[in-house]
Amino acid sequence: DADVTQTPRNRITKTGKRIMLECSQTKGHDRMYWYRQDPGLGLRLIYYSFDVKDINKGEISDGYSVSRQAQAKFSLSLESAIPNQTALYFCATSDSSGLGGYNEQFFGPGTRLTVL
Amino acid sequence: QQQVKQSPQSLIVQKGGISIINCAYENTAFDYFPWYQQFPGKGPALLIAIRPDVSEKKEGRFTISFNKSAKQFSLHIMDSQPGDSATYFCAASGKREYGNKLVFGAGTILRVKS
Repeated sequence: DADVTQTPRNRITKTGKRIMLECSQTKGHDRMYWYRQDPGLGLRLIYYSFDVKDINKGEISDGYSVSRQAQAKFSLSLESAIPNQTALYFCATSDSSGLGGYNEQFFGPGTRLTVL
Repeated sequence: QQQVKQSPQSLIVQKGGISIINCAYENTAFDYFPWYQQFPGKGPALLIAIRPDVSEKKEGRFTISFNKSAKQFSLHIMDSQPGDSATYFCAASGKREYGNKLVFGAGTILRVKS
């Protein structure tokens, strides 16, 4: 069973529509992240949350918002989708405990979003 | 401006050969350097990581070489196999400036020909 799940896996929408991508995890991790992946640009951080009451902007947060509904759930919203938000979106989790604070990030399977 | 520069963008290697992917960084605040492997249709997964207090780390056929003075690190895949065909991302993090968040390189698409 997948520890980090994302829904939907694929979504096609039109410009101007509101879209929500959801992420759930059963790993018991406190930290959650949203990334987008574009060819030639790698993975770029959109938002991150180190606990339920802590939400922070990442490198490319414009046009996106997030909600941490519970420790296990972190959703990403596109309030008014535009074509250049077409990308592969990944949710990831990590545990804040551990040596030096550097811990492996565990990624979900991704959501492929197309904005027409 | 990419904080972690990765090369090459793509790489084709014969089965049994050595695959080498290079990354460079500028910010000396980085002190953790992981490599992630991504298969088609999957999310990235941690492959191997290194801290700058060592110059090399080896796990099976995978080795990270780290050159602190040059601010460069590389992934070597020995005896490359078709099953190693994937996209590889280097990354960097620094506790002080980055709060343990990861900054990723652009990725390298590796194809191992059988």
